[in-house]
Formats: sequence, C-alpha cells, structure tokens
Amino acid sequence: GENVEQHPSTLSVQEGDSAVIKCTYSDSASNYFPWYKQELGKRPQLIIDIRSNVGEKKDQRIAVTLNKTAKHFSLHITETQPEDSAVYFCAAGTYKYIFGTGTRLKVLA
Amino acid sequence: KAGVTQTPRYLIKTRGQQVTLSCSPISGHRSVSWYQQTPGQGLQFLFEYFSETQRNKGNFPGRFSGRQFSNSRSEMNVSTLELGDSALYLCASSLTGGAGNTGELFFGEGSRLTVL
Repeated sequence: GENVEQHPSTLSVQEGDSAVIKCTYSDSASNYFPWYKQELGKRPQLIIDIRSNVGEKKDQRIAVTLNKTAKHFSLHITETQPEDSAVYFCAAGTYKYIFGTGTRLKVLA
Repeated sequence: KAGVTQTPRYLIKTRGQQVTLSCSPISGHRSVSWYQQTPGQGLQFLFEYFSETQRNKGNFPGRFSGRQFSNSRSEMNVSTLELGDSALYLCASSLTGGAGNTGELFFGEGSRLTVL
C-alpha cells in the first residue's frame, strides 16, 4: 500500500546549524509534497510545498528538494533558531495525503 | 476568515460506546479530510469527503465512518470504541477541486478522545 517513510524520528542541532529531514514515498502517482510544522499543543501548519514538476523550492531559510526518480524528497532548514523546534511532517499524495511519522526537531540554544 | 473548527475539543468515553466528532471547514472549502494522530504513528489518513461524497478512504476498520453535509460540514463516527482508539482526531479542509488538483490542508485544533 501507499507509504511515506520519514527520517530521522528525532533530530537535535545547535542554533545556527542546518537541519535536514528526508522522506521516501511509494506511490509513483503522487504529485504534491507538502511539509507541515506542528508546535507543541498546536495544529499542523504548512511551511512549504513542492509539486512534481519542480525539483527544488526555497522560502527564506527553508528549502525542499524532490527527486521523482528516487521517490525521495527532503526538507532543509538553514540557520536554525529555537523557534524552529517542533515536529515536522512530510506528506505525499494527490487527493489524499499520506503523512510520514514525523521528525521531532530540537534546536539547542 | 474563520479557521477550521472542531467540536468537541476533549472527550472521554468507555469501551463499547460510540462517538461523533464534528468539523466545520473554512468557508468556501469543499474538501474535508480526517486524520488520526497518535504518538509515534504520525498522522494516519481516515477518509476524505468532497461535495458530500467520500472520495478517498484510508485503512481503518468499518467502525470508523463519516459523512459530509451540503454546507461542507463533516462528522466522523466511531462505533464500539476500543482502548486503541484513544487519539487526537484532526480534521482538515481544502479548496481541492478536480482530479489531481491538490491544495493546502488547513487543520483544526483536533478532538482529543480518551477511551477508558
């Protein structure tokens, strides 16, 4: 069945360092790949997304890359700040979204 | 513009009971999807409704059901509750239209269900 694997499950970085979260999807029909950030006790919110006809997208300190051949996409956060600490979820899909199991990012001041 | 509203926010039930959760999407959004969130399992897709029709379904047992009304409000029902159904149930709405036309999901704050 459809599956999205996300790694690592936890990630600790020093403030100012970069963080990378990787996801692999199984459904080759997937054409939309969003990333959601969920702060403690809050709802998930979209931070960046990419469609299958694009290989890379940037928004300030956040970037996402997509390799359709390998069915692999990644989130890159540069110059991390304490407020980046949260759980990040990747997802892949068309009408429905299959989410990864999440990465708990902790930015150490 | 009001966000996605879910009720109730918290509820406690006992095994064997049933529960109904409600979701009011953002005005103009026609797609409503439901997710179960548990620690370590992430967000697991339950089902998606568009214009009162269930368009997609995840791999949950038949005890989990849903529906959507003409005003796009949606409800999900879980019958014969089990301890393992304890979770945060998130509803999300989207402008998603026709085939392959994906869009941003806007999540509600969730309904936290505890089954004793």
